[in-house]
This record gives sequence, C-alpha cells and structure tokens, in this order.
Amino acid sequence: DVVMTQSPLSLPVTLGQAASISCRSSQSVTYSDGIAYLSWFQQRPGQSPRRLIYKASHRDSGVPDRFSGSGSGTDFTLTISRVEAEDVGIYYCMQGTYWPPVTFGQGTRLEIK
Amino acid sequence: QVQLQESGPGLVEPSQTLSLTCTVSSGSITTGAKYWSWIRQNPGKGLEWIGHISYSGSPYYNSSLASRLTMSVDTSKNQFSLKLSSVTAADTAVYYCAGGSDTSKVDFWGQGTLVTVSS
Repeated sequence: DVVMTQSPLSLPVTLGQAASISCRSSQSVTYSDGIAYLSWFQQRPGQSPRRLIYKASHRDSGVPDRFSGSGSGTDFTLTISRVEAEDVGIYYCMQGTYWPPVTFGQGTRLEIK
Repeated sequence: QVQLQESGPGLVEPSQTLSLTCTVSSGSITTGAKYWSWIRQNPGKGLEWIGHISYSGSPYYNSSLASRLTMSVDTSKNQFSLKLSSVTAADTAVYYCAGGSDTSKVDFWGQGTLVTVSS
C-alpha cells in the first residue's frame, strides 16, 4: 500500500498569513500517463470532507483561488495564500493512483492563532 | 449536483453485521460517478478507504477488511450498500459514502452516519 505522510499535523496560522501543508508518498504517485492522481480535501468542524484540489494542482469549481496545489512524484504541497477564519479544519491528501487501496494522509489540523 | 445520503442502524452489537445503504439523488447511479465508495473515520482519527464498486457491480475492497466485506449496487433503487460482518468496537466510526471518477476516485461525499458497535 502507498503510505501518505503529512506534515505538520498541527498548523496554527495568523489570519491573513500564508500556510503550507506537505504530503509525501512512500512511492511515486505519478502514473505512467504523467499524471499524479493526488487530491486534497478540507474537512470543516462537523462536516464531511470536501475536495479542493485534484490531479495535484487542479482546483475544484467554487474553491477560492487562495488555495493552490503543487508537486509531483512523491512530494506535494497545499498552499493557502491568505488564511481566513473559514479555513479552520482538517486537511487531508489522498492518492488514487495505485489502488486498491486508495490511501489518505493522517490529516493536518489548521487553527487560527 | 449528485447528492448522497447514508442510512442504516446507528447501533450494532458486537459480532453482528453492520449494514448501510447510500441513496443517490439528483442523478443516476449509472452516470453520476464511475466509482461508488465507502470510507470511514474512527472517532478522532483519520480517513480509511473501505472499498468501492462500479455501477456494473465490480467491487474492490481494502484487503484489511476484505474477508468481512460485501458491497452491492441496486440500480433500480439508485442505491449502493455495504455489509461488514463480525464487527467489533474497532469498527465504531462515521461511515461516509462517496462518488468518484478516474481523476480522483473520490470526488464528492455524503454527510456521513455514525455507527457504534456496542452491546
């Protein structure tokens, strides 16, 4: 199974400041077609997860442009350019390249300082 | 926008079978997604992919649960289902159903339902 490791696990951020979350995979999740099937999800308190980013860098419809994804191979990053109060929650990366199983990172809890 | 809603008992006794159904609305189970998944979240923990099934009925299971799992699709009811046998307290979790495509495998989620295993 592909193991996904996120860091940090807890991320206190000042409103308006930038935040970055790292996700590393135990093997490359870039498929032979050149695409990394790496997604990022946001889970706000009391809600189900919502996808923000797919194929490493493609933003979902309706997701604010302050969210961006980057990376390839084994190293990926979710960046929030200016954190807002509504961004509080847990962020997960997920690989869907080599399955079964689809695997998730442990989650990163973003909080406001 | 396809919507998903999980349903089933909130309390299951140890050693019994956990049965959940996901109803697909505002769309068809044959066209709304390619993969219909179950994912669980143990209290205070992360996300665990349980498995997925296509509308044509081909399931793929997490090997850690495969011996206890059965997934099925009922196209006439626009539903897909999960059965997990011989449950223990470790199976207590919020269970989510989800739909996905080749771009992500998991694109959108239901609201989730808490299942507690206890006598």
